[in-house]
Amino acid sequence: RKEVEQDPGPFNVPEGATVAFNCTYSNSASQSFFWYRQDCRKEPKLLMSVYSSGNEDGRFTAQLNRASQYISLLIRDSKLSDSATYLCVVGGYTGKLIFGQGTTLQVKP
Amino acid sequence: NAGVTQTPKFQVLKTGQSMTLQCAQDMNHNSMYWYRQDPGMGLRLIYYSASEGTTDKGEVPNGYNVSRLNKREFSLRLESAAPSQTSVYFCASSEPRDEQYFGPGTRLTVT
Repeated sequence: RKEVEQDPGPFNVPEGATVAFNCTYSNSASQSFFWYRQDCRKEPKLLMSVYSSGNEDGRFTAQLNRASQYISLLIRDSKLSDSATYLCVVGGYTGKLIFGQGTTLQVKP
Repeated sequence: NAGVTQTPKFQVLKTGQSMTLQCAQDMNHNSMYWYRQDPGMGLRLIYYSASEGTTDKGEVPNGYNVSRLNKREFSLRLESAAPSQTSVYFCASSEPRDEQYFGPGTRLTVT
């Protein structure tokens, strides 16, 4: 079983749609959680950290469920510019981060 | 602030050749990392350095060596390149257990 699992997609949605991605992780001792965004052939960039209480940044909402060991990302009012690959990332006490394979989102006009 | 820089951006090697990928960060981070990314495989950790003077193997260290030259610089060396090492290589830096910041990547092809 992979340490961090994501549905690779692709998710094809129209502009303005709401889309949700889920991710599961296997190590219950994981301590840090992030969503990264990666555009084609570019470096990953931090989208947002994920906290136990949930957090929101504009159209993006991230939630963490420690009991079920999953993380979610909700994107509201999708824009064409949201088209990218979204990486679920989990870290442990060593500081190393484990990256999921990524979920590809295509927003269509 | 340049963040994390990597050189070169592109490289083509013949099987058996050697090369060193350079990485530098100006964020005063203690930890630095080397990853490779292959289609359908996601990012895989090659080596990391939790702090200056220390290095540790990641998930896929075979065929690579690293040097943490100082706090700013972390290099990755391929001693004898193989076609299986064709990949995109990313360097990253962070404070321990914090989010990582990535360089723009090196696209390496081994023929």
